[in-house]
Amino acid sequence: EPEVTQTPSHQVTQMGQEVILRCVPISNHLYFYWYRQILGQKVEFLVSFYNNEISEKSEIFDDQFSVERPDGSNFTLKIRSTKLEDSAMYFCASSEMAANTEAFFGQGTRLTVV
Amino acid sequence: QQQVKQSPQSLIVQKGGISIINCAYENTAFDYFPWYQQFPGKGPALLIAIRPDVSEKKEGRFTISFNKSAKQFSLHIMDSQPGDSATYFCAAMAGANNLFFGTGTRLTVIP
Repeated sequence: EPEVTQTPSHQVTQMGQEVILRCVPISNHLYFYWYRQILGQKVEFLVSFYNNEISEKSEIFDDQFSVERPDGSNFTLKIRSTKLEDSAMYFCASSEMAANTEAFFGQGTRLTVV
Repeated sequence: QQQVKQSPQSLIVQKGGISIINCAYENTAFDYFPWYQQFPGKGPALLIAIRPDVSEKKEGRFTISFNKSAKQFSLHIMDSQPGDSATYFCAAMAGANNLFFGTGTRLTVIP
């Protein structure tokens, strides 16, 4: 069964450092998303991406965040100058279409900022 | 603004019992309502979803009941099993927009 894969599973970084979280969406999917989940809290939308550009972003997705699809398979989330409050599980998701279709989530990357 | 409100926060059910989780929403533009199941250390996985043109959808032991006029929907897990113990999130989507998740319900099914 196709799945969304994320690497690394756990990333520890010092405050102020840059991190890149990587995702390989399901191959025939066209829409890609990043969500985050602070420990014990709900899953929150960060950004959606289609046709090599951001289609929507939340208030959380400020200038320290960026996304990129550097090649035909990877989808990355870059966080510049990480803060302690960026510590969370980051989930990548993909879907075949945008509306009313299942979004498949990866297993997540646990980011710990120390 | 909390787009989707979910209750209860936690739920303990005996094996074989019925688990019921409720969600309410405000945005009438929402037109897709999925439920996600999440096990510790894993990503959310779609369990079942409903569109507002139907009032109920059943898949195996899982049923979504949808009340459009009240802007509420609920998940019923019949014959709950210990393997159902997980966190359940309701969510809502409007058109091509992102998913708005509820705050989650931690379900524990006691053998």
